[in-house]
Amino acid sequence: GENVEQHPSTLSVQEGDSAVIKCTYSDSASNYFPWYKQELGKRPQLIIDIRSNVGEKKDQRIAVTLNKTAKHFSLHITETQPEDSAVYFCAASIDSQGNLIFGKGTKLSVKP
Amino acid sequence: DAGITQSPRHKVTETGTPVTLRCHQTENHRYMYWYRQDPGHGLRLIHYSYGVKDTDKGEVSDGYSVSRSKTEDFLLTLESATSSQTSVYFCAISDLSQSYGYTFGSGTRLTVV
Repeated sequence: GENVEQHPSTLSVQEGDSAVIKCTYSDSASNYFPWYKQELGKRPQLIIDIRSNVGEKKDQRIAVTLNKTAKHFSLHITETQPEDSAVYFCAASIDSQGNLIFGKGTKLSVKP
Repeated sequence: DAGITQSPRHKVTETGTPVTLRCHQTENHRYMYWYRQDPGHGLRLIHYSYGVKDTDKGEVSDGYSVSRSKTEDFLLTLESATSSQTSVYFCAISDLSQSYGYTFGSGTRLTVV
């Protein structure tokens, strides 16, 4: 079945720097790749997603890139702020039922 | 709020007892999912539903059953709780006709002692 690997598991950056989180997936049939942000004690919330027919998508300070050939996708956060501190999860959709397989998460800390 | 609520929010139960967690949505979404979240494991799919009385297993379904008798409710049952089922359980909903993105509930923290 599908397997999603996420790196790094922890990431610490200074406020204003950029942060990059990378994920790889195993099933070439996967066609939908969302990213979720989870603040401490809260529910995961969708922040950006990309479909397999698109190579890059941006929304203000966040962007996601997809390389189908290499089967990896990345989350880019620019001009990081302390409120970006959270755990970020990548995921890949494995079937037409919308089931998602998640990576194990990256804890991002943004130091003021 | 997000149109999805979970109950209870917290529960402590004893090993061997049955436990039922409830997920209720007001969005009329067809798809509903149960995930568990554990440190070092991320979110893992337990069961999902693609309609009333239509359910299927996910990657970690052993020891769990589900039921969906109405569009708005998706129940997760631990038939005989074990300590390994101590976890945070999240329900999610999705409307695949609009987007594959999930909306998660607030979670249920379950402790089995």
